[in-house]
This record gives sequence, structure tokens and C-alpha cells, in this order.
Amino acid sequence: NAGVMQNPRHLVRRRGQEARLRCSPMKGHSHVYWYRQLPEEGLKFMVYLQKENIIDESGMPKERFSAEFPKEGPSILRIQQVVRGDSAAYFCASSPPVNRGAEQYFGPGTRLTVT
Amino acid sequence: AQSVTQLDSQVPVFEEAPVELRCNYSSSVSVYLFWYVQYPNQGLQLLLKYLSGSTLVKGINGFEAEFNKSQTSFHLRKPSVHISDTAEYFCAVSVRAQKLVFGQGTRLTINP
Repeated sequence: NAGVMQNPRHLVRRRGQEARLRCSPMKGHSHVYWYRQLPEEGLKFMVYLQKENIIDESGMPKERFSAEFPKEGPSILRIQQVVRGDSAAYFCASSPPVNRGAEQYFGPGTRLTVT
Repeated sequence: AQSVTQLDSQVPVFEEAPVELRCNYSSSVSVYLFWYVQYPNQGLQLLLKYLSGSTLVKGINGFEAEFNKSQTSFHLRKPSVHISDTAEYFCAVSVRAQKLVFGQGTRLTINP
């Protein structure tokens, strides 16, 4: 049973370019969460999605960031016109539709470097 | 809103010594509590969690934690650490099994 998959694992973008980060949840999981880890900091919640719905985007920056989780395919976190401050590790987590255990399963992360 | 404070950013200990990593939280509603471990350049792995019931929770790799409601704490302990326990440890809370709110992390370094 494959875990949460994220790709790419490493992504280098120049300032002003777009970054697309993909997350495939565990089999049977329909809830996806995105977190950002800045250097020397803990993880900060960004957005919580279910299939075709954004449930909570209270942690998303107001501009340049967007997320989707379509009916088919992976969840995508999109960052437009990247800046140096976007350099961070971005983690995706997933959970099942009925999450009695309250646990989230994390992927290995995508490390974004903006040059 | 919820917040989590991990009182030590770094904890160095000798191999086979006991260790305690401290975590305090703030919330006006009931929360679920978690400890995650992050090895270098990897994702997070759940060590243990408290949802309800017994306040002493046992997890993987010999770790345990105790929930103290009056002190709003959830400290992580291990009686004897190994070199392989070197990692970053994160305490986190959630309300109704939704988003996780993390502490800053504690870097545990094991010296031989």
C-alpha cells in the first residue's frame, strides 16, 4: 500500500516563474492538507481540501498561491511568480473520509528553491 | 485559535540516557494531541497521539507521552535513547481531526 506521494522532490525556479507541486494521497484517502516548512521553523498549515472542494484555506497567502484537488488526479499546489521567500519545504498529508483516528499521513515533501 | 509551544529548541543527550521533550498548548476547546518525528530530508512520521481515555500514551520506538489537562502539557519521554533517535520532533494539536497546528520543533541530538 503506497504512502502519500509528492513530486517533484526537489524543484528549482527562478524568481517570477511558476511552481506546481503535486500530491497523490494514500489509496482510499479523500482529504488532503498542505503545509509549509520554512527553514528552522515548524510546519504551518496552508490549506485543507476534499475532492473538488476547498474546506479551509485560512493559511494560504492571499496572492499568488492556489490549490486544487480534482475528482481525478493528484492535488496541485500552485505558486505563481515565485519570490525568494517562497523557498521552503512543502508537505502534503492525507486522511481517510472518516478519520476516527484523527491521524494525517505525510508525504516526503517537495523542497522548493527560488533563485 | 490553538497554539503550541515547544520549550526547548535543542536537546543534547548521551546515548542510553533518558530524555523528555516538553510541549505546552493553548486552546479554548478540546483538542487532539500528537507527536511527530522528522528525520533529515524526510516527511513526518507519527510517534503517538492522544484522543481520549488514558492520559499515558505509548507510541513507536519506545516513546511515551503524558497528557496533563490542568497544565495543558503533553511531554514526550523515552527512558533510554539510541543514536538512531537523532531527529527533529514536533508536537501538534488539532480540533475535530482537521488541520494540525505545530510547535516550532525540538532537535534531539544523541551523543555517543
